[in-house]
Amino acid sequence: SSELTQDPAASVALGQTVRITCQGDSLRSYYASWYQQKPGQAPVLVIYGYNKRPSGIPDRFSGSTSGDTASLTITGAQAEDEADYYCNSRDSSGKLYVFGTGTKVTVL
Amino acid sequence: QLQLQESGPGLVKPSETLSLNCSVSGGSSSSSRYYWGWIRQTPGRGLEWIGSIYYTGFTYYNPSLRSRVTISVDTSKNHFSLKLSSVTAADTAVYYCASQLKEYSESAAVFDYWGQGTLVTVSS
Repeated sequence: SSELTQDPAASVALGQTVRITCQGDSLRSYYASWYQQKPGQAPVLVIYGYNKRPSGIPDRFSGSTSGDTASLTITGAQAEDEADYYCNSRDSSGKLYVFGTGTKVTVL
Repeated sequence: QLQLQESGPGLVKPSETLSLNCSVSGGSSSSSRYYWGWIRQTPGRGLEWIGSIYYTGFTYYNPSLRSRVTISVDTSKNHFSLKLSSVTAADTAVYYCASQLKEYSESAAVFDYWGQGTLVTVSS
């Protein structure tokens, strides 16, 4: 079982803002990275480190951490942002990487 | 930019060894910037990190799989490989290879390029 917990689903109106959270004790010590996955495709890195975006990822994606919770915010969501989103970090022992349970984002 | 491509059998019998290769193009598997990782995904267990390797051969594995996993790298062929022994139906999954930024490896696993994934089914 994952030590990083995410809400199973979130919805957002086109052009509005949605925040996806990832909760786990390890996040007090380690950064989270975030991945977007569309059906039938491999995950795509969208946020890593201290709110860094890979080349090609729109600046509407941003990340933050407070306490034991990491957040991915999509500001001005677009239809193409509809996907599953996963966080990743170390587990509480620090011995392995774990992925969150995933959040399905629907753009209305 | 890097491109990764998994290859290997799509069907493995129970108790046998799953073997996959990941070919790296657009860059070098001997890059000091990267680890090379394997991740798998199932509907039930989600995404699971299997392990990662550095070009020097240094490896680290998911403790839950360590007894059955071997990851190796062949820099002359620019590829790295996964072997998972004594497979069961629970090892049926889509297997991905990915490049992992070494700079951030102490914290999260930052996989910046992924292969397309390959479905491996364990069945007799």
